[in-house]
Amino acid sequence: GAVVSQHPSWVICKSGTSVKIECRSLDFQATTMFWYRQFPKQSLMLMATSNEGSKATYEQGVEKDKFLINHASLTLSTLTVTSAHPEDSSFYICSASKDSSFFGSGTRLTVV
Amino acid sequence: AQTVTQSQPEMSVQEAETVTLSCTYDTSESDYYLFWYKQPPSRQMILVIRQEAYKQQNATENRFSVNFQKAAKSFSLKISDSQLGDAAMYFCAYRSPPYSGAGSYQLTFGKGTKLSVIP
Repeated sequence: GAVVSQHPSWVICKSGTSVKIECRSLDFQATTMFWYRQFPKQSLMLMATSNEGSKATYEQGVEKDKFLINHASLTLSTLTVTSAHPEDSSFYICSASKDSSFFGSGTRLTVV
Repeated sequence: AQTVTQSQPEMSVQEAETVTLSCTYDTSESDYYLFWYKQPPSRQMILVIRQEAYKQQNATENRFSVNFQKAAKSFSLKISDSQLGDAAMYFCAYRSPPYSGAGSYQLTFGKGTKLSVIP
């Protein structure tokens, strides 16, 4: 299968700071990538669809000014959590699609 | 909108035995894709198997096979000769066909089934 790289795998940040998470498709081009949030023992919750060269599409209830998405190239999408607060602590996963959808290894964000 | 239902929050299986995980879905589309993903404790989402709705033949990947019943909108996963490494959360997912537009690669997930393998 295809490889999707996500970094960092974990990060701890202070409340009020911003954190950037990168998602790269290593061996294929992805015009569309997705960002998910996963709470413990729950399924993946789609946050937004990242489209190369255009604005991201956010799901209802997701603050676009807090979760900034940039899809600057066909192989890279970034999610920036701005002015992070403890309630933003979670596990964030990206995916990129070819014939099937492939996932990054996830990022555990802890805001202290 | 499509929905995916996994009615078994938890399942267990004896090592080397066979287990079947259930998944049903609701859609008005005639062409679509179905997937099973595995999420072990590492939380890496791993593609287990994929089924195209237009294919009548059930997909198989080594010890993993599906029973795809299009009319019943059912897509169950059978794991044969279960191994300790099969212990994980399993998610069933639905996806619209590529030609259906901007949302075509978007996955709709079920709530998952936690599979335990007993040595």
